[in-house]
Amino acid sequence: EVLLVESGGGLVKPGGSLRLSCAASGFTFSNAWMSWVRQAPGKGLEWVGRIKSKNDGGTTDHAAPVRGRFTISRDDSKNTLYLQMNSLKTEDTAVYYCTTGSSAFVYWGQGTRVTVSS
Amino acid sequence: AIQLTQSPSSLSASVGDRVTITCRASQGISSALAWYQQKPGEAPKSLIYDASTLESGVPSRFSGSGSGTDFTLTISSLQPEDFATYYCQQFNSYPLTFGGGTKVEIK
Repeated sequence: EVLLVESGGGLVKPGGSLRLSCAASGFTFSNAWMSWVRQAPGKGLEWVGRIKSKNDGGTTDHAAPVRGRFTISRDDSKNTLYLQMNSLKTEDTAVYYCTTGSSAFVYWGQGTRVTVSS
Repeated sequence: AIQLTQSPSSLSASVGDRVTITCRASQGISSALAWYQQKPGEAPKSLIYDASTLESGVPSRFSGSGSGTDFTLTISSLQPEDFATYYCQQFNSYPLTFGGGTKVEIK
């Protein structure tokens, strides 16, 4: 069974930092392209970014609103995906999901809530 | 970035109704489109990929069609468990983008 479990969310002040983790199991994590998707309260889904597998270069793409502030990384030895979030803004308040899939995001975690507020 | 415009943004329907949701892309995306269902407090669930291929385990009352810029999700006979919000997403190019969502409510 594929499992994705996010952690690391919480309350942080504007300008602060937070690192989210996503522990993966039930599939060959090292071969997977992984993404983060977020959902602000009462709003729709927003793709945050993606990291390729190391076999495919391990490169990252980040959405414009987070580029330069957020960094996606992975540790294949721990089957874990990360999202380092710096210079947080109130508009980054959302539930953050890790997800994976090729032609669709088939597997999703339960999400971790990030609240940016003073 | 490719923009996806869903319509309607919400609709009211009855059990047994046929429901159609459309998704229009700002430029051609071939068939690189997925549809998701999301219920309150839950993660999205993938229904359809490559515009028209049903995910394993998804009821056959769901179907998808289209290519290029215009796509459709159809629920042939709405069931109580189908009341949810539906999103389209394009996989043609980065940044990946989602439509704004269509909330299907009980009439």
